[in-house]
Amino acid sequence: NAGVTQTPKFQVLKTGQSMTLQCAQDMNHEYMSWYRQDPGMGLRLIHYSVGAGITDQGEVPNGYNVSRSTTEDFPLRLLSAAPSQTSVYFCASRGTGENYGYTFGSGTRLTVV
Amino acid sequence: AQSVAQPEDQVNVAEGNPLTVKCTYSVSGNPYLFWYVQYPNRGLQFLLKYITGDNLVKGSYGFEAEFNKSQTSFHLKKPSALVSDSALYFCAVRDYGQNFVFGPGTRLSVLP
Repeated sequence: NAGVTQTPKFQVLKTGQSMTLQCAQDMNHEYMSWYRQDPGMGLRLIHYSVGAGITDQGEVPNGYNVSRSTTEDFPLRLLSAAPSQTSVYFCASRGTGENYGYTFGSGTRLTVV
Repeated sequence: AQSVAQPEDQVNVAEGNPLTVKCTYSVSGNPYLFWYVQYPNRGLQFLLKYITGDNLVKGSYGFEAEFNKSQTSFHLKKPSALVSDSALYFCAVRDYGQNFVFGPGTRLSVLP
């Protein structure tokens, strides 16, 4: 089925470890974003990309890196995990233009101990 | 800066009764408004959007939303609630930079 695929679904890290959250979409969407969801705070934008080779910071970028080497893939890297990064992470993509809303992945639940 | 408020953390309604989930926004320029629903352990699913045109927008699963420019509101409504509508609902506005700003979410519980 077409959509946004995120892996892994669950992950436990120790403080200081690094890891990459994978995100892939097969809808040829130019626009991709990473959000984190925390209770009572809604979704906050971490990084986004408007096309291959172009990335930019969102509201809460510290501690995260992204790259966009292809249209399909938009991985999120945690450089040195901290307990404050315990959250649920969502990748989303959409077409460009006014009428497009996001298609979301199913999320990655990350716990940093 | 763009912002979205959802003044109710929780909304409880009896099955069969009408439901309303409130959303107000602040945006410079024309607002592009969206509602999403999140079921447990799932990603967000698109419900409906307002870009331009009629103030009453119809969406998925029988939901509709009314855009009110003077009150800067975009409340989500459904004439008759179902137990299966119980979920977390997010209002969002697309900002001038084409990013989405989400509200904090409202948990809807429909009681049988």
